[in-house]
Amino acid sequence: AQSVTQLGSHVSVSEGALVLLRCNYSSSVPPYLFWYVQYPNQGLQLLLKYTSAATLVKGINGFEAEFKKSETSFHLTKPSAHMSDAAEYFCAVSDGFGNEKLTFGTGTRLTIIP
Amino acid sequence: EADIYQTPRYLVIGTGKKITLECSQTMGHDKMYWYQQDPGMELHLIHYSYGVNSTEKGDLSSESTVSRIRTEHFPLTLESARPSHTSQYLCASRRGANEKLFFGSGTQLSVL
Repeated sequence: AQSVTQLGSHVSVSEGALVLLRCNYSSSVPPYLFWYVQYPNQGLQLLLKYTSAATLVKGINGFEAEFKKSETSFHLTKPSAHMSDAAEYFCAVSDGFGNEKLTFGTGTRLTIIP
Repeated sequence: EADIYQTPRYLVIGTGKKITLECSQTMGHDKMYWYQQDPGMELHLIHYSYGVNSTEKGDLSSESTVSRIRTEHFPLTLESARPSHTSQYLCASRRGANEKLFFGSGTQLSVL
């Protein structure tokens, strides 16, 4: 069965500092992996996705993530945090090969310290 | 951007009532999903569908049922609502497993 684990339910970084949000996945087949962001009182938006092409994926708002099969990880990074990045971030996984189930992680709340 | 609609936006009902949460999309997506999310908390998959006449249970045990008679329509029904069902219900759809999910605006359900 597929699953994702997000380490750290709350992460705080200073404005301008590196953002690193961790996601590890479990899947019996090569996965499709996604990062979604949810701003306060808003719906979820797709940040980026990995679908078996390049292992380093660039998304919106300066975020990127690297798929590492050996570590079963898909961590989200941004070199320099902005105040506007404060939000809830969710990692999600789909098995490929026709399994349409999409499972989300428990989420990580990112707080930016001025 | 999203052409996926949920009604009602808010619903307050008494215990024991039968309710149906509506979800429709005009994008022709085969894959549709229902998630349950409390404010600021994780999303729990409760049902999903591959296409017409296909429904599957998700990860979270739920007393709700779904149907998929038409591609565009994926309603969720609670036969007898209880206070523990109070939550936000999000409907979503996508074209395929490697595609992004489009979310509806959600139904906030309160059961008294």
